[in-house]
Amino acid sequence: DIQMTQSPSSLSASVGDRVTITCRASQGISNYLAWFQQKPGKAPKSLIYAASSLQSGVPSKFSGTGSGTDFTLTISSLQPEDFATYYCQQYNTYPRTFGQGTKVEIK
Amino acid sequence: EVQLLESGGGLVQPGGSLRLSCAASGFTFSSYAMNWVRQAPGKGLEWVSGISGSGGRVYYADSVKGRFTISRDNSKNTLYLQVNSLRVEDTAVYYCAKEAGSGTYYSFFDYWGQGTLVTVSS
Repeated sequence: DIQMTQSPSSLSASVGDRVTITCRASQGISNYLAWFQQKPGKAPKSLIYAASSLQSGVPSKFSGTGSGTDFTLTISSLQPEDFATYYCQQYNTYPRTFGQGTKVEIK
Repeated sequence: EVQLLESGGGLVQPGGSLRLSCAASGFTFSSYAMNWVRQAPGKGLEWVSGISGSGGRVYYADSVKGRFTISRDNSKNTLYLQVNSLRVEDTAVYYCAKEAGSGTYYSFFDYWGQGTLVTVSS
């Protein structure tokens, strides 16, 4: 199985900060990488697919980069509604696997 | 508008069974693969199972293989997950998720339901 490792596991940031989350795959997955946002008690929401393509309706402050094994999610200017947990997921092979999540908290 | 509505969760004893359902609307259900993803209380997301649009290909996580069965009824626009031999560690919110691509192996999840809670406890 492909292991997905996110870092950091949590971070504290202020409104307006630029935030970067890293996701590493245990083997190459091309660009078959998605990012999701989840708020407490809610279902995950799709943000980015194919490593860098923005899902319809997602604001452009979210961006993704990477290919192969190393990927990043960047939020350019953190807003109150962005405080949530973020997950990466590979869809290169079955079983589909998720990172353990990165919780973004208010400083 | 795409909508996914799960049902069938509840409290069950270890060793028991449930059938989870996911009613879909707002898209051509038979054209898209579907998945189940679960989340234990306070934990991260775990992919459980996936099924192709026709139902001809199914996939399972090792943790549920042999105990869970995914299926779909395209005439009813409904996805199912039969969960048997339940264990305490199967306690989780179970989400259904639609894949974005039609007929492709490489497809991300674009829509999720709100989830149904399965609690396994004596």
